[in-house]
Amino acid sequence: GQQVMQIPQYQHVQEGEDFTTYCNSSTTLSNIQWYKQRPGGHPVFLIQLVKSGEVKKQKRLTFQFGEAKKNSSLHITATQTTDVGTYFCAGGDYGGSQGNLIFGKGTKLSVKP
Amino acid sequence: GAGVSQSPRYKVTKRGQDVALRCDPISGHVSLYWYRQALGQGPEFLTYFNYEAQQDKSGLPNDRFSAERPEGSISTLTIQRTEQRDSAMYRCASSFDSVNTEAFFGQGTRLTVV
Repeated sequence: GQQVMQIPQYQHVQEGEDFTTYCNSSTTLSNIQWYKQRPGGHPVFLIQLVKSGEVKKQKRLTFQFGEAKKNSSLHITATQTTDVGTYFCAGGDYGGSQGNLIFGKGTKLSVKP
Repeated sequence: GAGVSQSPRYKVTKRGQDVALRCDPISGHVSLYWYRQALGQGPEFLTYFNYEAQQDKSGLPNDRFSAERPEGSISTLTIQRTEQRDSAMYRCASSFDSVNTEAFFGQGTRLTVV
């Protein structure tokens, strides 16, 4: 079945440093979504990418979808303590049902002030 | 409602008992999803509905797990004859429909089977 792998599992950065998390799928994805989960909270939707090679920006966050629609990345420029949390990618599978989003295990980001 | 509401927030049950977890999605949302999230892991898909129709239940671990959404709004996830391995956070999410799939998650139900 479809698998979505995320690396790294953990990332510790100094405030002001950049951060990147990578997501790779074993199959071609119909779309990819990114979520952020704060400690003790629930996943909160950040963005959805649909097109091959798509790049979207939200302030200091840059999201990319690979040309083959099998990988994606989230890059945060100049991290702040408010960026702390776990970032999940979730892939929609062409072969699966439309609502069956497969989540990666997440990258837990900690930011030292 | 303003957001996805789940109840109860916490449930402790004895092994062998049945439990019912409730999800009240955002009003007007067509699609409703159930996920299970273990500590330090990503949400694991269980099942999802469009309106009252269960579209995919491939993620339900075994036949002790079932879900329904009889009127296309509130949904119930039922676990029969609970086992300790069922202990987890159960999360419900809803989206506008199955095309606009931005999922809004509820706070979850923390189930502990003792």
